Amino acid sequence: DTGVSQDPRHKITKRGQNVTFRCDPISEHNRLYWYRQTLGQGPEFLTYFQNEAQLEKSRLLSDRFSAERPKGSFSTLEIQRTEQGDSAMYLCASRFSGNTIYFGEGSWLTVV
Amino acid sequence: AQTVTQSQPEMSVQEAETVTLSCTYDTSESDYYLFWYKQPPSRQMILVIRQEAYKQQNATENRFSVNFQKAAKSFSLKISDSQLGDAAMYFCAYPRISGGGADGLTFGKGTHLIIQP
Repeated sequence: DTGVSQDPRHKITKRGQNVTFRCDPISEHNRLYWYRQTLGQGPEFLTYFQNEAQLEKSRLLSDRFSAERPKGSFSTLEIQRTEQGDSAMYLCASRFSGNTIYFGEGSWLTVV
Repeated sequence: AQTVTQSQPEMSVQEAETVTLSCTYDTSESDYYLFWYKQPPSRQMILVIRQEAYKQQNATENRFSVNFQKAAKSFSLKISDSQLGDAAMYFCAYPRISGGGADGLTFGKGTHLIIQP
């Protein structure tokens, strides 16, 4: 199995622009998670999917953020009208039936 | 809500020595898992070791072992024979409450481990 894949790995954008990150989970993993991590902090939960259904969204996920997993495979996280406070690493993770969650390498976002 | 506390922002150890990273957590659950993840600089987070709360025996994975004290809600990670490749951020994690749809992990703030040659 290949691991969790995220694209792009790095994104620099101007404030007010929209950005989209893609995550390809490990094949057959039905649960997919998005986390945000800032420097010196642990990852913070944003949202998760079971197959194509988005089952929970954190209060951290403002209405400028939207996540989808249309076919229960890859997922996208879009941030509209980016703000400097959105600068962070966005981590994707997945798992199947076990308790171990596998993480991707993350997508770094810098808003200038 | 569960909380995970890592009280050591940074630890330093000489190569080949042993170091222990601390973690405490708060939960009302009786059956759960606990995890230690390692995040090297600019690389992905990987699972180091996990512990099942109902098991009294502490988990061990090669040079990594845990000291799990359920009553004290303590879950420390011991790294023996430290190697330069062990340098990373280490995160303690606890499952978000299962039931009512909650899933995923709650992480501590991490401990930055420095290995001195």
